Order: sequence, then C-alpha cells, then structure tokens
Amino acid sequence: NAGVTQTPKFQVLKTGQSMTLQCAQDMNHEYMSWYRQDPGMGLRLIHYSVGAGITDQGEVPNGYNVSRSTTEDFPLRLLSAAPSQTSVYFCASSRRGDQPQHFGDGTRLSIL
Amino acid sequence: QQQVKQSPQSLIVQKGGISIINCAYENTAFDYFPWYQQFPGKGPALLIAIRPDVSEKKEGRFTISFNKSAKQFSLHIMDSQPGDSATYFCAASPSSISGNEKLTFGTGTRLTIIP
Repeated sequence: NAGVTQTPKFQVLKTGQSMTLQCAQDMNHEYMSWYRQDPGMGLRLIHYSVGAGITDQGEVPNGYNVSRSTTEDFPLRLLSAAPSQTSVYFCASSRRGDQPQHFGDGTRLSIL
Repeated sequence: QQQVKQSPQSLIVQKGGISIINCAYENTAFDYFPWYQQFPGKGPALLIAIRPDVSEKKEGRFTISFNKSAKQFSLHIMDSQPGDSATYFCAASPSSISGNEKLTFGTGTRLTIIP
C-alpha cells in the first residue's frame, strides 16, 4: 500500500519557469490538499480539494494552480516560478477534512 | 493572523524526562486537535488527536491535555527517548457535517532528546 506518493523528490528551477508537482494516493480518499513548509512558519495550506472536480484556495494560493480530474491525483502547478516559492511542498489526503491526514514525503523545490 | 500559536520553538530534554509542548488557539469553532510528528526528510504523521468532549487523552507515552476555557492544549511525552527526537506540530480545525474543514497548523517544535 503506497499511501501518498509525491514526485519529484527534489527539483531546481530558474525564475520564470513552470512545473507541475505530482501527487497520487491509493486510499480512495476524497479530501486532498497541498501545503508548503517553510522554517518557522509551520505548514501553510495552498489549495485543497474535497472531491474530483472540486478545488478551493487555502491560505497561500497565489502563484499556484490545481486541478482534480480523478480521485487519485491532485497535481500542483507553478505558473511562473519565483524565489519566494522555494520551499518543501507536501501533499496530503484524508477521508474528510477533519480526519487524520496522510502526508507524502514532500518535494524539495529550489527556485534560483 | 496566526490562529494556532505553538511553543516552544525548540526543546531539549534529557532521556527519561518529560517533554511538554504547548498550543493556544483563538477560533472557538475549533473542535478537532491533532498532533503530528515529523522526522527529517519525511512528511508529518498523525501522532494523537483529541476532541473537546474530553480533557485528556493518553496513548502509550503520549498524552494530550486540553483546556477548553483557556483555549489551550498540550502534548506531554513521558519517559522521552532519543527516538522521539523530531519536529512536532499541533493543529486544529472546526468540524462540520460535510467534514470539509481545513486544518490550521502551529509553527512546530523541534524536540531533541539527549542521553
């Protein structure tokens, strides 16, 4: 049972480049979310989805897009990377928003 | 506006001692309070959680104490071991019929257990 799988594990981008962070879960969870983790700031919610075809903004959505075409996948797109987006990104899934969230191991992203 | 305040930022405890991490919240609608444990290079993992119908919940060496009137909750790790060295996050969310409420995380506590 793979749980939540994130790819890639590491990525270096140049300012202005775009990329997609992949997230897949095999637990048939309806609720999926993306967080960024920065030193001293904890985990901040970027976007979340309560089911296929439904997404909403979290605390820090600017510069990011998401879509949810299937229950399993929830990709995060950086439209035009900026150095301020250098962070560790975590994807999580759960049955409901108020139930334990299962996190992936993160994508470490550096924007030069 | 930070809705969940966590302290201390870092904590060093001797092996066998008690580690205590505190969180305070502002939103009175919060009624689900989980703690997550994160090891380097890994994602956070649920450690223990409490809802406000009880004032304390214990699972092995880990205990959550909850004070609804003070809007505070804390994690106690008894007989702390070197393997407990990790970053700990408290979190909180409201509940609803839909179950689609969002978690708000504290800023984390880096715990180091020394021999």
